[in-house]
Amino acid sequence: DVKVTQSSRYLVKRTGEKVFLECVQDMDHENMFWYRQDPGLGLRLIYFSYDVKMKEKGDIPEGYSVSREKKERFSLILESASTNQTSMYLCATDGRPGGEQYFGPGTRLTVT
Amino acid sequence: RKEVEQDPGPFNVPEGATVAFNCTYSNSASQSFFWYRQDCRKEPKLLMSVYSSGNEDGRFTAQLNRASQYISLLIRDSKLSDSATYLCVVHGSSNTGKLIFGQGTTLQVKP
Repeated sequence: DVKVTQSSRYLVKRTGEKVFLECVQDMDHENMFWYRQDPGLGLRLIYFSYDVKMKEKGDIPEGYSVSREKKERFSLILESASTNQTSMYLCATDGRPGGEQYFGPGTRLTVT
Repeated sequence: RKEVEQDPGPFNVPEGATVAFNCTYSNSASQSFFWYRQDCRKEPKLLMSVYSSGNEDGRFTAQLNRASQYISLLIRDSKLSDSATYLCVVHGSSNTGKLIFGQGTTLQVKP
């Protein structure tokens, strides 16, 4: 079974703080993704990565950056958190482009 | 126009009912199609892939109509445990792994 873990289930941060969300997968997959999910908007892709040190912008990259130093770990960084970044953040991985994506349990981030 | 569109519902049905969801997609070159299920406050999980010839998995049947660019999911003999949000997912034609998710259709099965 593919296992995708995320560093926190719930997180509360203040406006302006730097926030790190970490994701680890155990299947040696090359592709990893970060989404946010909001009511009425569905899942929106923030960033994705095809290999170590490679990253591509998704549909809503503004206000976020990512880091992929090791194949199994993909980090999402909010450089200066804002209240409009309050959301559910989901990490995913797949074994081949266009194949099934496996999701982590999500991090519910609240920025106050 | 959204790339993947679904009726958000909610669909409220009694146990044992048959319910169908439709989804339309805009990119005619899309290659892969899926239905995911998401329970409240949980992550999405693959329910089934959708093949051109249609496919069935127990009480669930998925159909793809490429000419009309829509995908359907039929659930027969609904169970209380089928209550969830069903996400229609489409893969584009590029070499990327990028999937496009619909907003989801909420199903509530009542006793």
